[in-house]
This record gives sequence, C-alpha cells and structure tokens, in this order.
Amino acid sequence: NAGVTQTPKFRVLKTGQSMTLLCAQDMNHEYMYWYRQDPGMGLRLIHYSVGEGTTAKGEVPDGYNVSRLKKQNFLLGLESAAPSQTSVYFCASSYNLPLDEQYFGPGTRLTVT
Amino acid sequence: QKEVEQDPGPLSVPEGAIVSLNCTYSNSAFQYFMWYRQYSRKGPELLMYTYSSGNKEDGRFTAQVDKSSKYISLFIRDSQPSDSATYLCAMSGPLNSGGYQKVTFGIGTKLQVIP
Repeated sequence: NAGVTQTPKFRVLKTGQSMTLLCAQDMNHEYMYWYRQDPGMGLRLIHYSVGEGTTAKGEVPDGYNVSRLKKQNFLLGLESAAPSQTSVYFCASSYNLPLDEQYFGPGTRLTVT
Repeated sequence: QKEVEQDPGPLSVPEGAIVSLNCTYSNSAFQYFMWYRQYSRKGPELLMYTYSSGNKEDGRFTAQVDKSSKYISLFIRDSQPSDSATYLCAMSGPLNSGGYQKVTFGIGTKLQVIP
C-alpha cells in the first residue's frame, strides 16, 4: 500500500515550457486535491476532484489545468510555466466526505527559471 | 487580513518542555479544526481533528478550541526531538454547492526540540 505518490519529485523548467505532474493513490479515495505551498503563504488549493471524471477550481487555479480520467490518478498540467509557479506542489486524497482525513503525497519541487 | 493567522516561529524548546502552538481565525463559519504535522521535505499528516469547543487529548497531544475567541491551540507534553517539525493548523467551513468543504491552512509554525 503506497498511499499517495507523486511524479516527478523535482523538476526545473524554463519560462514558457509545459509539464504534467502525476498523482496516484491506491486507497480507493473519491476526493483528490492539488495544493501549492509557498513560504509565508501556507497550503493553497489549486484544483480538486470529487470523483472520477470531475474537476473543480480551488483558490488559485489560474495557469493550471487538471484531469481525473481514472479514479486513482489526478494530473496537474502547466501549459506555459511562469516563475511565479515556482513552488512545492502537494497532491492529497480523502476517502469520501471532504472532512475525511486528507492523505498527502511527498511533494514535487518545481523551479521555473 | 488572513482568515487564519499563525506565527511561523521558529520555536526552539528543550526536550521535555511543554509546547504551545496557536492559531487565530476570523471566519465564524469554520466548523472543523485540525492540526497537521509536516516533517522537512515531506507532505503534511493529520495529527488531530476536532469540531467542538473544548479540549481533545491524544497521548502527549492536546487540541484546544475556543470558538468564542476564534482561537485554537495545540499542546505537546514532554516534547521529544522527534516532534521537531512544522505544525499547520487547518480549518474548514460549510459545504459549497459543489459538495466541497474548503480547508484553509495556516502558514505553519516551525518547532525545534533540542535534546
């Protein structure tokens, strides 16, 4: 039981490049989330999904897109990376109700130069 | 003004000390209160969860909520070097129309327990 895994762990992008971050969970959780964590800002929700095939915007969605084609996977895309997207990105999942404990992945450190 | 305020520290204490970590909030709609622990270069993990005013104990940890003052605390008794981490408070409010209950996190307090 791996829990929540994220790929890649580190990445450096140039401004304007694109990339996809992959999140996978093996706990059969319905809810999945993408957060970014920046110094002095705390964790901020980018997008979330309440089930397979559904996505919704969170607090800071601009510049990001997501897809949840399979229940166990939640992809975060950056179409044209900007230095302001330099951050640590965390994926999380929870079983059913949004108040259920959120299980976090180990994070992806992204630097955009 | 941020919805959730938390002193980032760092807070350094000797091993065995009682640690008090605090958050204040401004949104009276928050109903549920959580504390997450985050070790360096790891994801957060839920430590404690409560939805009512008062105290909740779990081993060496006590979570306290005062809704009238909009103030929550986490106490760690007999602190250990392994408690060295960043502690994030988190709060959530009513469900939105999309079936999601937003969770708002504090910025975290970095704690170091010195052996």
